[in-house]
Amino acid sequence: GENVEQHPSTLSVQEGDSAVIKCTYSDSASNYFPWYKQELGKRPQLIIDIRSNVGEKKDQRIAVTLNKTAKHFSLHITETQPEDSAVYFCAALNSGGYQKVTFGIGTKLQVIP
Amino acid sequence: ETGVTQTPRHLVMGMTNKKSLKCEQHLGHNAMYWYKQSAKKPLELMFVYNFKEQTENNSVPSRFSPECPNSSHLFLHLHTLQPEDSALYLCASSQNFGGDTEAFFGQGTRLTVV
Repeated sequence: GENVEQHPSTLSVQEGDSAVIKCTYSDSASNYFPWYKQELGKRPQLIIDIRSNVGEKKDQRIAVTLNKTAKHFSLHITETQPEDSAVYFCAALNSGGYQKVTFGIGTKLQVIP
Repeated sequence: ETGVTQTPRHLVMGMTNKKSLKCEQHLGHNAMYWYKQSAKKPLELMFVYNFKEQTENNSVPSRFSPECPNSSHLFLHLHTLQPEDSALYLCASSQNFGGDTEAFFGQGTRLTVV
């Protein structure tokens, strides 16, 4: 089955700096890689995703990169703000069959004002 | 509101009690999931149902018993739980076979076992 590793588990950055979270996956059949943000006391929600046919995707201050050969993908947040403080989960799955969303262990991001 | 509703939001139960958690999705999805979220394991997959059939049981103790009567409803029956089972239980749904693969989560049930 799929195994997703995520690091770091905690990350503190100064407001305005960039934050990078990295994930690796094991199943070469995985073709969809979403990132979820979970604010304190709330449910996880999708913030950005990338499919295996592209190498990079950007949405304002958030970008995700994918290296299929190395089986790793990363989340980049630029110009961090205090409201970016949350737990971020990466995930990997094969969207073409029975779905089992495998999540990473999560990264607790703290943006220090 | 994401279209995935969980009840109850909070539950306190004794170790000899029997209770059930309910999840309902109004998104037309055909895959539903139970996750356990605790300090030790932030998002731990428990069960997966695809087209009402259980396709994954992630070595979950038998004191947790899932039920999926149709593609819109998912239950988690609880009996003789242990204090270490206290956690947030999240339900999620998504679409199989190339559909919209985003997983939508419910707000969770905060379970406390005393």
